[in-house]
Amino acid sequence: EIVLTQSPATLSLSPGERATLSCRASQSVDRYLAWFQQKPGQAPRLLMYDISTRATGIPARFSGSGSGTDFTLTISSLEPEDFALYYCQQRTNWPRTSFGQGTKLEIK
Amino acid sequence: EVQLLESGGGLVQPGGSLRLSCAASGFTFSDYAINWVRQSPGKGLEWVATIGSGPGYPYYADSVKGRSTISRDNSRNTLYLQIDGLRADDTAVYYCSRDIGGRPDYWGQGTLVTVSS
Repeated sequence: EIVLTQSPATLSLSPGERATLSCRASQSVDRYLAWFQQKPGQAPRLLMYDISTRATGIPARFSGSGSGTDFTLTISSLEPEDFALYYCQQRTNWPRTSFGQGTKLEIK
Repeated sequence: EVQLLESGGGLVQPGGSLRLSCAASGFTFSDYAINWVRQSPGKGLEWVATIGSGPGYPYYADSVKGRSTISRDNSRNTLYLQIDGLRADDTAVYYCSRDIGGRPDYWGQGTLVTVSS
């Protein structure tokens, strides 16, 4: 089983700042890495897939990068609605997929 | 508009059974694989099962394999998940999600399953 480890667990920033969230895989996931956003009481929302492709309707301030085992989600300038939980997901052995434990992005 | 609506959750005693449903609309249901993913209170996301539109399905996570059955009725645009022998660690919000090659692109709002005596 591929284990995804996200860091930091909590990230405290102010609106307008740049956010950098990390996801490390226990073995290579090739390009099959996605990011999700989840707000309290809501379902996860697909943000990014195949490392750097934004899902439909996702603003350009969200970007993804990385390769192999190390990946990053960057939010260039935080908007108030961006404060949420973020999960990475790998699908290398689809449909057996796994998620990271999440990073909470909170307002400083 | 793609919509997924789960139902069937509730309070169940340990060892009991539950059948969850997921009603889909806004897309050609039979063309897509569909997943169940669960989230325990205060915890992260765990893939549970997937059923596809073609042969070679379904697949289950080890945590539910042998006591769960995922099925679909394409005539009713509905997905099901039957879980038997429920345990306390099955307590979670269960989401269904449409799948495109491993990318769950649309999710329902979830249904809460609580296993407790």
